[in-house]
Amino acid sequence: SYVLTQPPSVSVAPGQTARITCGGNNIGSKSVHWYQQKPGQAPVLVVYDDSDRPSGIPERFSGSNSGNTATLTISRVEAGDEADYYCQVWDSSSDHPGVFGGGTKLTVL
Amino acid sequence: QVQLVESGGGLVKPGGSLRLSCAASGFTFSDYYMSWIRQAPGKGLEWVSYISSSGSTIYYADSVKGRFTISRDNAKNSLYLQMNSLRAEDTAVYYCARGFARSKSPAFDYWGQGTLVTVSS
Repeated sequence: SYVLTQPPSVSVAPGQTARITCGGNNIGSKSVHWYQQKPGQAPVLVVYDDSDRPSGIPERFSGSNSGNTATLTISRVEAGDEADYYCQVWDSSSDHPGVFGGGTKLTVL
Repeated sequence: QVQLVESGGGLVKPGGSLRLSCAASGFTFSDYYMSWIRQAPGKGLEWVSYISSSGSTIYYADSVKGRFTISRDNAKNSLYLQMNSLRAEDTAVYYCARGFARSKSPAFDYWGQGTLVTVSS
């Protein structure tokens, strides 16, 4: 089955840029979605189809996807961005197509 | 406003059964695919099951196939997950999630608050 690999943690100072990667075999051929989850809350979709933002999500959140790596980029990081971030794809060639990455804890220093 | 409210969680012994429900409101339920997604305590998200808007297409994670059954009642705006032969590793918060209509592949734009299932003797 398809595997998505994320770093367990990323740290960044306020005002800087955070980059969270999501690795997968030829992930560039798939649409990647990203979720933010704060403690005790349900996840929130922050980027879909590699680089699009749902309404209400700040422009500071952006994404890219090429080759074997997708990246969620958060510009001008704020304290409120501290959360767990998950990538997700739909492996349509599989009988069990839903796949999440293991998650990355973003710490704002 | 869109609301998804899960219910039916609780403590169950290994080998037991539970039926989760998700009551949807604030949107035309029959227009959207839905999924169940779970999160074990202190762990990441795990996709569990998917059902298309009509119920004609269903998928399961390998970890639950043959034990869990997803279904929906569009007349009642409700999603269900029948869980049988429960194991300790099924212990998790179970989220009901709505499919995101604008994405090229399935994504989930609204999630319920989750219901906790604990499998323990």
